[in-house]
Amino acid sequence: EIVMTQSPATLSVSPGERATLSCRASQSISTNLAWYQQKSGQAPRLLIYRASARATGVPARFSGSGSGTDFTLTISSLQSEDFAVYHCQQYINWPLTFGGGTKVEIK
Amino acid sequence: QVQLVESGGGLVKPGGSLRLSCVASGFTFSDYSMTWVRQAPGQGLEWLSYISYRHGSTNYADSVKGRFTISRDTAQNSLYLEMNSLRAEDTAVYYCARRLYENSAYHGFDIWGQGTMVTVSS
Repeated sequence: EIVMTQSPATLSVSPGERATLSCRASQSISTNLAWYQQKSGQAPRLLIYRASARATGVPARFSGSGSGTDFTLTISSLQSEDFAVYHCQQYINWPLTFGGGTKVEIK
Repeated sequence: QVQLVESGGGLVKPGGSLRLSCVASGFTFSDYSMTWVRQAPGQGLEWLSYISYRHGSTNYADSVKGRFTISRDTAQNSLYLEMNSLRAEDTAVYYCARRLYENSAYHGFDIWGQGTMVTVSS
């Protein structure tokens, strides 16, 4: 099973600042990685797939990068609606696995 | 609009069974592979099961293999999760989701239902 590790667990950021979230795979997954945003009490929302492709309707301030084992989600200028939990997921191998999540909170 | 709506959650005793349903609308359900994902209270996301659109082939997480069964009824635009031998650790919100297929490749899950809560307790 591929283990996905996200860091940090919690990120405190002021509105308007940049946020950088990390996700590491226990083995190479090429670019078979997705990022999701989940707000409290809501279902996850797909933000990024294929490591760097933005899903439909996702603002340009969200960007993904990386390949192999190390990946990054960057939110260039945090808006109030961006404070949420972010999950990464690999989809190259069964079982599909998620990271533990990073909570982005207001500083 | 494109939508998934789950139902069937509730309170069940350990060892009991439950069947979750997920009704799709706004897209051609038979063209998409589907999955179930759960989230225990205060925890992260856990992928459970997957069914492919073309041949109906299935995959399961080890934690539910042999206890849970995924199925679909394209005539009803519905996805199901039959859950047997339920345990306290199966308590979670259960989501169905659609798999994104683009440029001849499968990716993450682009449409999610609102979730249905399953509580396993005596």
